[in-house]
Amino acid sequence: QKEVEQNSGPLSVPEGAIASLNCTYSDRGSQSFFWYRQYSGKSPELIMFIYSNGDKEDGRFTAQLNKASQYVSLLIRDSQPSDSATYLCAVVTGANSKLTFGKGITLSVRP
Amino acid sequence: SAVISQKPSRDICQRGTSLTIQCQVDSQVTMMFWYRQQPGQSLTLIATANQGSEATYESGFVIDKFPISRPNLTFSTLTVSNMSPEDSSIYLCSVEAPGTSGGVSQETQYFGPGTRLLVL
Repeated sequence: QKEVEQNSGPLSVPEGAIASLNCTYSDRGSQSFFWYRQYSGKSPELIMFIYSNGDKEDGRFTAQLNKASQYVSLLIRDSQPSDSATYLCAVVTGANSKLTFGKGITLSVRP
Repeated sequence: SAVISQKPSRDICQRGTSLTIQCQVDSQVTMMFWYRQQPGQSLTLIATANQGSEATYESGFVIDKFPISRPNLTFSTLTVSNMSPEDSSIYLCSVEAPGTSGGVSQETQYFGPGTRLLVL
């Protein structure tokens, strides 16, 4: 059973702070890792992806991947109230592009 | 990225009936996927729909309950058959298309707006 775990949350941070969202996965063969944001009543939208160990930055977002620890995280710098949403971690394993999603972490940014 | 539309956006149906959901994308894509998201839950993959072949269903989902068509590279349908209240959910289609993140390009999945289904 390939699992993606997002056990922390809900998360509340003040405006301007750094929000740290964590995700672990069970399948060592996992190849690509995605973070999606889902506003209430909306469909998931892609924030960023990562497939190499280390950090990857895109604007206020930084994804961090550690394949040895089977751990991927998303940092949101200078958090804004508009960042309040559920963040879904998703993992691709194998050649068929299937995504396995975690249950999500709900982030609330307090003005 | 890709622009994806779904019809209907929402529906209320009686148990025992069937509903067909349409998914249209603005460019030709090889892989399309159908997901279900039950209230307060994450996304669960129902099946993968590739043009020219039978859909591949995930464990717990069967063709008789969720028949899928993929007549061309821009369109797919999912039918929810013989509905029960347990089928009340959001149904989402997604497509695999090139995406860019941090200056790097990779095939990624983009989601349609979803179909909210309530079965009474």
